[in-house]
Amino acid sequence: GAVVSQHPSWVICKSGTSVKIECRSLDFQATTMFWYRQFPKQSLMLMATSNEGSKATYEQGVEKDKFLINHASLTLSTLTVTSAHPEDSSFYICSASHREPYEQYFGPGTRLTVT
Amino acid sequence: AQSVSQHNHHVILSEAASLELGCNYSYGGTVNLFWYVQYPGQHLQLLLKYFSGDPLVKGIKGFEAEFIKSKFSFNLRKPSVQWSDTAEYFCAVNEGASGGSYIPTFGRGTSLIVHP
Repeated sequence: GAVVSQHPSWVICKSGTSVKIECRSLDFQATTMFWYRQFPKQSLMLMATSNEGSKATYEQGVEKDKFLINHASLTLSTLTVTSAHPEDSSFYICSASHREPYEQYFGPGTRLTVT
Repeated sequence: AQSVSQHNHHVILSEAASLELGCNYSYGGTVNLFWYVQYPGQHLQLLLKYFSGDPLVKGIKGFEAEFIKSKFSFNLRKPSVQWSDTAEYFCAVNEGASGGSYIPTFGRGTSLIVHP
């Protein structure tokens, strides 16, 4: 149980375009979803936390107008990278959590390359 | 803000050797502690967790971790590693936030390579 999917698994886009990444909890209702960036050989950097039906909480330094997060239902959250630039190229990972016991279930990640 | 330190960035062991990966965190309040593992080509998954009670917790695949509150530590151990334990290991801490929510912080990760 507790499976989280992400779509797409990889995407290449041109600079200036927008890209949407979906995160779904397949067999449970996620009260909270998280979005991370992972740089090569580095840890996960939390970008934002989203609770169903409310606005996402962004971490310091993360532009909320650039990284739009929508948590429309208890099983779906989306991250839209708007006006993407090459420096936005990264591995984006989502995770989902119940209210308790709080551990996170991770998606497989999405590799974004902006050319 | 919370910080999580993993002291060993790269560890190379032979099969059957013992493993201990260090993890220290900075938050002095109530925390939930986790170790996650990422096998090559796979996504992160939970190895073990500590919320309360017995500070020695056991996880999957023979791993265990000990919470030492006075040292702000949550070290991961395994008495005898296997080649299949080759993976990236992440320590994580949930810090309580307002409204019953929480903020997860991850350590940098430790790359473990086990030679057969």
